[in-house]
This record gives sequence, structure tokens and C-alpha cells, in this order.
Amino acid sequence: DGGITQSPKYLFRKEGQNVTLSCEQNLNHDAMYWYRQDPGQGLRLIYYSQIVNDFQKGDIAEGYSVSREKKESFPLTVTSAQKNPTAFYLCASKQGASNSPLHFGNGTRLTVT
Amino acid sequence: AQSVTQLGSHVSVSEGALVLLRCNYSSSVPPYLFWYVQYPNQGLQLLLKYTSAATLVKGINGFEAEFKKSETSFHLTKPSAHMSDAAEYFCAVSPNTGGFKTIFGAGTRLFVKA
Repeated sequence: DGGITQSPKYLFRKEGQNVTLSCEQNLNHDAMYWYRQDPGQGLRLIYYSQIVNDFQKGDIAEGYSVSREKKESFPLTVTSAQKNPTAFYLCASKQGASNSPLHFGNGTRLTVT
Repeated sequence: AQSVTQLGSHVSVSEGALVLLRCNYSSSVPPYLFWYVQYPNQGLQLLLKYTSAATLVKGINGFEAEFKKSETSFHLTKPSAHMSDAAEYFCAVSPNTGGFKTIFGAGTRLFVKA
């Protein structure tokens, strides 16, 4: 079945450590996205990529970094510069046109203590 | 800039009652509109989408939504709630002038009482 795989589902880190969240898709979609979800705030866009080797900052990119070396993969690194990293992180992809819906992974819940 | 507002962070209905979740958008040009559903600790699933064809859009699980340009609204309804409808629902907009960004509302959590 085609879809998006995020791993791990739960991740625990100590403050000051960088951590990388994995996102892999086999839908052959060009565009991929990272959203952060906090209670009562909906989904906020961190980074997105329209094509391999290219990506753009979203609304809350500070403290995060991404890479897009392969079409299938869009890993997100949460750096120690992110002041409040504990959240639920969602990866998504879509075909490319504005009227195409997003396809989501099942998320990674990151807890930093 | 586009934005989307969902009225009511929590909605509670009885099983069998009408479900109405409200969504209003702000855009100079009518955008593409989507409703997604999220069950606990999962990603979002598409319920339905409006892409400037019919104004009444039917989705999965008996849900439908009506696009009203004059009211800049895209409310989600279901005639009869089921316990399995309890989840969080998100309205989202995407520009129809090109672009890759989708903007989400804050979400509405639906509770269904037996």
C-alpha cells in the first residue's frame, strides 16, 4: 500500500540534544511538508519542499532544519535552538497542484525534558 | 493573506443528532477548501474537498459540506452522529492561484454522547 511512514512514533530526548525525525513516502509525490501540532493551535507549517534539493521555510522554521536529497525522504531535525520542541510532528505529501489534498503520516510525538 | 477560522474548539452532540462544524475562510479569491479528520495519536485523513465544481460536496462517512461564497463559509454537516465520529476535525484552505501551502484552522473536537 502507498503511504507515508514516520518513525519513531514516540521519541524522548534531553534538552540540548538535536534529534532527527524520519519521513518516507512511496506515493511518488513531488511536494512534502512538516507540520507541528500543539493542543488548540491546529497545524503550523515548519518547512516544505516542492522538489528534490529544494525546500522553503514555513511559518515556524526557527530551530528546525530539513533536507531533501531523495524524492521519497524528507527528514526533520529539531535542533537545540528550538525553545519549545515538545509537540506532535506530522509529515505530509501531495501531488503538487493546489487542489490536491495532503496525505499524512501517523506522526511522531517528541518529548524533550 | 489567507486564513481559516473554526468556530468552537469543542462541540458535543448526542448520538443520532445533527453534526454541524463551522468553518469560515478569509481570501480575496475563493480558495480550495478541505475538511480533514484526526483520531487520537494519528495523522489526518481527508473527509472531503471543494475545488470549484459543485458547491455541495459529499465526503466519506456520511459527511458533507456546502461552499457559500457570500458567507465565505464551508461548514461540515452530518445528519446523524455516530459514536465513531468522535474525533478532531480540521478545516483547511489552499490557494487556487497556485502555490503549495495549505493553511489549517485550529480544529474542532467533536464529542458524541450515548
